[in-house]
Amino acid sequence: KAGVTQTPRYLIKTRGQQVTLSCSPISGHRSVSWYQQTPGQGLQFLFEYFSETQRNKGNFPGRFSGRQFSNSRSEMNVSTLELGDSALYLCASRSSTGRWTEAFFGQGTRLTVV
Amino acid sequence: AQSVTQPDIHITVSEGASLELRCNYSYGATPYLFWYVQSPGQGLQLLLKYFSGDTLVQGIKGFEAEFKRSQSSFNLRKPSVHWSDAAEYFCAVVTLTGGGNKLTFGTGTQLKVEL
Repeated sequence: KAGVTQTPRYLIKTRGQQVTLSCSPISGHRSVSWYQQTPGQGLQFLFEYFSETQRNKGNFPGRFSGRQFSNSRSEMNVSTLELGDSALYLCASRSSTGRWTEAFFGQGTRLTVV
Repeated sequence: AQSVTQPDIHITVSEGASLELRCNYSYGATPYLFWYVQSPGQGLQLLLKYFSGDTLVQGIKGFEAEFKRSQSSFNLRKPSVHWSDAAEYFCAVVTLTGGGNKLTFGTGTQLKVEL
């Protein structure tokens, strides 16, 4: 069974640009969550999607958005990039959002904003 | 609010020695607890989980963890560390939010293994 796939693995963007990251969950998993990892703030929850609906959102500005498609693949978008957005963005998939099931993470996308 | 504390930022052990990484949580009810490991530049790999039942849980790579409600702890242990265990380890708890649940992570413990 294939794991969680995130593309691209690395990105370099300029301040002010926007970026889109992609995540394909494990087959059959309908919940996709996104986390930001930085040396200063650690791992922080961005949002969760289930069946194309955002179920949960972390404390991030509106520049951070996401969506989920009918095949459960998810994209995350960051507009008007700032230097502080440089981070490892991790996607996690779970089989459901009812009773908690373990989350499986992708390899991440390393975003560098210059 | 639910939280996780990992008191040790860095730990160094010799190969073959035993290991214990500490994790304390703050949560009112029975928590769902996890340990993840992260190698440099990689994602998080699930080592083990505790949902309920037996308080000693076994995971992959020879790791185990013990849930102690009285101490609000979920410490990770390994009897004999291998050089390949060098990585960063994260403890996490499922946190209830207004619209759903999420994982709240500790700040991580960086493990160095001396040969």
